[in-house]
Amino acid sequence: AQTVTQSQPEMSVQEAETVTLSCTYDTSESDYYLFWYKQPPSRQMILVIRQEAYKQQNATENRFSVNFQKAAKSFSLKISDSQLGDAAMYFCAYRSAGANSKLTFGKGITLSVRP
Amino acid sequence: DAGITQSPRHKVTETGTPVTLRCHQTENHRYMYWYRQDPGHGLRLIHYSYGVKDTDKGEVSDGYSVSRSKTEDFLLTLESATSSQTSVYFCAISADGGGLAAEQYFGPGTRLTVT
Repeated sequence: AQTVTQSQPEMSVQEAETVTLSCTYDTSESDYYLFWYKQPPSRQMILVIRQEAYKQQNATENRFSVNFQKAAKSFSLKISDSQLGDAAMYFCAYRSAGANSKLTFGKGITLSVRP
Repeated sequence: DAGITQSPRHKVTETGTPVTLRCHQTENHRYMYWYRQDPGHGLRLIHYSYGVKDTDKGEVSDGYSVSRSKTEDFLLTLESATSSQTSVYFCAISADGGGLAAEQYFGPGTRLTVT
């Protein structure tokens, strides 16, 4: 079974600075997807970024980018120019590429942003 | 935003009483999922559906049942609520079960407290 590990329960960053959130996963599959979800205090789960394992290029979405290291099974999220609205819980998630695939989530990390 | 609503949004109930949570979608997506979110655990899959009357268990299905009689509605029932089922429950939908079309979109969540 796949597992997703987020070892840091909390992190803090100064506004306008850069922060990196770590995630590792374990799988025997070669084709899969990785995600970062943001959960602000409103509880809404928001998809931040997605990485397809067959793509070597790291995904980027505006201030959000990932460092995908397939061999190391590492998938970190970098937030540049941090804003107060980035304060939230962030979840790393894995899904295989096969049919009826299911999302496996990490335990999440709480990010606070200092003004 | 994907058209997903959950009802009720908040509920307090007593141990031993039955509880039904409803997820309603307007996207005509084939797949629907129920998750629970607890501190230190991230989101864990309870049950999912891959079509009308087609459902399957997730990793934490004990004590829960589901039904899907229409494409748009997915019901989660706690036959006899226990305090361990106090949690935040999320519904999610996806157009397909594999590949890029399996992107999951989440509802706003239901906070359930069992006293």
